[in-house]
Amino acid sequence: SQQGEEDPQALSIQEGENATMNCSYKTSINNLQWYRQNSGRGLVHLILIRSNEREKHSGRLRVTLDTSKKSSSLLITASRAADTASYFCATDRHTDKLIFGTGTRLQVFP
Amino acid sequence: GAVVSQHPSRVICKSGTSVKIECRSLDFQATTMFWYRQFPKQSLMLMATSNEGSKATYEQGVEKDKFLINHASLTLSTLTVTSAHPEDSSFYICSASLGSQLETQYFGPGTRLLVL
Repeated sequence: SQQGEEDPQALSIQEGENATMNCSYKTSINNLQWYRQNSGRGLVHLILIRSNEREKHSGRLRVTLDTSKKSSSLLITASRAADTASYFCATDRHTDKLIFGTGTRLQVFP
Repeated sequence: GAVVSQHPSRVICKSGTSVKIECRSLDFQATTMFWYRQFPKQSLMLMATSNEGSKATYEQGVEKDKFLINHASLTLSTLTVTSAHPEDSSFYICSASLGSQLETQYFGPGTRLLVL
């Protein structure tokens, strides 16, 4: 399977703490994206990082990409209860298809 | 940002019936639409890629006669689950793309299908 893997599968933290999720993939990529999904809902695009970029920031989000290790991380700083959701990475291989990772379920306790 | 809608949001049907799910891009023309399937607590699996005016491209293992996709216009794609069975129960999500750039792929809210 070309699907990426994410770890941890589940993460529980307190409000104010930072949350770090990791994504590993198997093949060379063009872009890597992170999405959030609230329970039973659609996906919300968070951030896109291109294969020639190493780090990207958006508000409380920080994404890194290491193409040599075929991995990416998503850091959410100063987490809030509203950040509770599942987070997925998605990669594309110079095609119009997105391959999603297995996801990390984040629970932020107030 | 661009909005994609799906209808219905949830449907319950009897085994053997067919169910149609609509995916609409509300404020843009989508050259490509994608259909995904998601089982509980699992990731999204791409089922097929749909281009307006042409036949859909199905992923390996997805039965094209089971999951009929029609992309009749630049704002509408439909997925019909034919002769649905309980194992077809799942969350179906569509996305729409403005073009070849994947950063312009927008996701619908999903349709939950339960087949009794």
